[in-house]
Amino acid sequence: GESVGLHLPTLSVQEGDNSIINCAYSNSASDYFIWYKQESGKGPQFIIDIRSNMDKRQGQRVTVLLNKTVKHLSLQIAATQPGDSAVYFCAERGDDKIIFGKGTRLHILP
Amino acid sequence: EAGVVQSPRYKIIEKKQPVAFWCNPISGHNTLYWYLQNLGQGPELLIRYENEEAVDDSQLPKDRFSAERLKGVDSTLKIQPAELGDSAVYLCASSWGQNNEQFFGPGTRLTVL
Repeated sequence: GESVGLHLPTLSVQEGDNSIINCAYSNSASDYFIWYKQESGKGPQFIIDIRSNMDKRQGQRVTVLLNKTVKHLSLQIAATQPGDSAVYFCAERGDDKIIFGKGTRLHILP
Repeated sequence: EAGVVQSPRYKIIEKKQPVAFWCNPISGHNTLYWYLQNLGQGPELLIRYENEEAVDDSQLPKDRFSAERLKGVDSTLKIQPAELGDSAVYLCASSWGQNNEQFFGPGTRLTVL
């Protein structure tokens, strides 16, 4: 069936370093991908999205890369800050439905 | 502008009891979603409304779960009777149209004892 997964359940990064969170998806027909951030006790919050006709999109301190050949999605966070500590989910849209992956918890080391 | 409002934030019940969750979407958003989120997992769609019509309820366990959005604004999700496996966070989200950004509420954490 369709599924979106993340490679690592947790990632620890030194404050100030760049973070890279990876995601593999399985539905080659998915046309739209989203990264969400979820802090403890809150709902997921949209970070950045990318359509399948693009391979890179940049936001403020965040960049999403899409490699359709290997069905891989990544989120890069520049100069990681304590406020970036959260669980990050990738999601794909296929068959008019948003499907979420399992999430990577990002820990920021002082 | 107020975000998506959900209540209660927490609910503890005994198995076989009924429970209901309420959601008020962002004003003007015609699309409303209910998701289930188990610990450590991503949200899973239960039902999607376009105005007052449930357009996708394929993942809703209809033997015990029901939902309504009578006036196309706020919505209620009910479980009757609750089972131990229903313990999870129930998230509500809304958007202006299906293909636009979804805004999530804080969720209701349900514990079934």
